[in-house]
Amino acid sequence: DAKTTQPPSMDCAEGRAANLPCNHSTISGNEYVYWYRQIHSQGPQYIIHGLKNNETNEMASLIITEDRKSSTLILPHATLRDTAVYYCIVRPHGGATNKLIFGTGTLLAVQP
Amino acid sequence: GAVVSQHPSWVICKSGTSVKIECRSLDFQATTMFWYRQFPKQSLMLMATSNEGSKATYEQGVEKDKFLINHASLTLSTLTVTSAHPEDSSFYICSGTGTHVGTQYFGPGTRLLVL
Repeated sequence: DAKTTQPPSMDCAEGRAANLPCNHSTISGNEYVYWYRQIHSQGPQYIIHGLKNNETNEMASLIITEDRKSSTLILPHATLRDTAVYYCIVRPHGGATNKLIFGTGTLLAVQP
Repeated sequence: GAVVSQHPSWVICKSGTSVKIECRSLDFQATTMFWYRQFPKQSLMLMATSNEGSKATYEQGVEKDKFLINHASLTLSTLTVTSAHPEDSSFYICSGTGTHVGTQYFGPGTRLLVL
């Protein structure tokens, strides 16, 4: 799996947009960008994934650069409940044996 | 998203005993399940991958005779920590993925404390 680089921590004011960056300069053509988050003492929660087009769902938006070497996860209106460690992972989509290798992620602290 | 449950959510046991943790996919058939371990202030570490009806594939450094994994059905996988010791105390998390569910969905985790 391609290696990803994320800042160790970020702060965000409640109600503002949280923009979490991820660098994946060695991503392969068949690898997707996945985002998960882990709230303290819980299992990881799937957020969103994409290949090259920008994606949006009820939780977040994913912006992938044209060269696919970096991406940004956007939480449009952060709440205190969004405080968590956010993991950016690249891997092929599907394929039952494809593992998710977690890095250290970004600890997002949403401030009141 | 798909739902995965784990039981128990926490367990305390004496050193030398065995502990079984169950992982169930509630609304999809999980052809593959993964088991992770997480120590305090660390990231998740993949322990093993199990395909329904097959033997599990363990990551390097994970003792297969100590961490027994069974994936006998498309909705249930179990992890048994045999002869548990205090250093096995950790947060154990499972995930599942299926033929029609390419994304991995995670259970809520099981916290194990070995005294």
